[in-house]
Amino acid sequence: LAKTTQPISMDSYEGQEVNITCSHNNIATNDYITWYQQFPSQGPRFIIQGYKTKVTNEVASLFIPADRKSSTLSLPRVSLSDTAVYYCLVGDRDDYKLSFGAGTTVTVRA
Amino acid sequence: DAGITQSPRHKVTETGTPVTLRCHQTENHRYMYWYRQDPGHGLRLIHYSYGVKDTDKGEVSDGYSVSRSKTEDFLLTLESATSSQTSVYFCAISGSSGGLVTDTQYFGPGTRLTVL
Repeated sequence: LAKTTQPISMDSYEGQEVNITCSHNNIATNDYITWYQQFPSQGPRFIIQGYKTKVTNEVASLFIPADRKSSTLSLPRVSLSDTAVYYCLVGDRDDYKLSFGAGTTVTVRA
Repeated sequence: DAGITQSPRHKVTETGTPVTLRCHQTENHRYMYWYRQDPGHGLRLIHYSYGVKDTDKGEVSDGYSVSRSKTEDFLLTLESATSSQTSVYFCAISGSSGGLVTDTQYFGPGTRLTVL
């Protein structure tokens, strides 16, 4: 599994866009980038996954530059309910032992 | 939500006593995992299973053992609980391949264990 680095915490206000950048300088050719979200007192849940360029779903967008050494999770127009810990994971098909790290705690304020 | 239950949801026990946590799934997924979560450490993998009777250690396996006699059940045992094992324990499952690329992990609701 490639090592990832992400900010410990971020603060935002309702209605703003939140962008969380994850660094993964030693990403391998076969690695994918996956983000999980964890609400207080719950287990993590899958948000989005991508390999290159941009991926968008109903929850978030994932931007991956050409060199793939970093990625940015974008949460549009956050609400109080988006307050959670967000984890960036990098790995390939054989990486079934996930490594979550400490994640980024996003706090959304009114 | 994936059909994963954990029991008990809360437990308080004393140092030196054995404790068994149960994870039950109704999804028929091949891979099952046990994590612990402590403040400042994120989730750390304790043990995982890649099939019935097939298990392996994660990064923090000392003091824990697991068993999987049926596809649907994965048991985590603390043979002699210590205060350092006070934590929230999450079970997770993933599908046929278990790989990061092809299958996401689905997590249970967690078990809060306190060892006094």
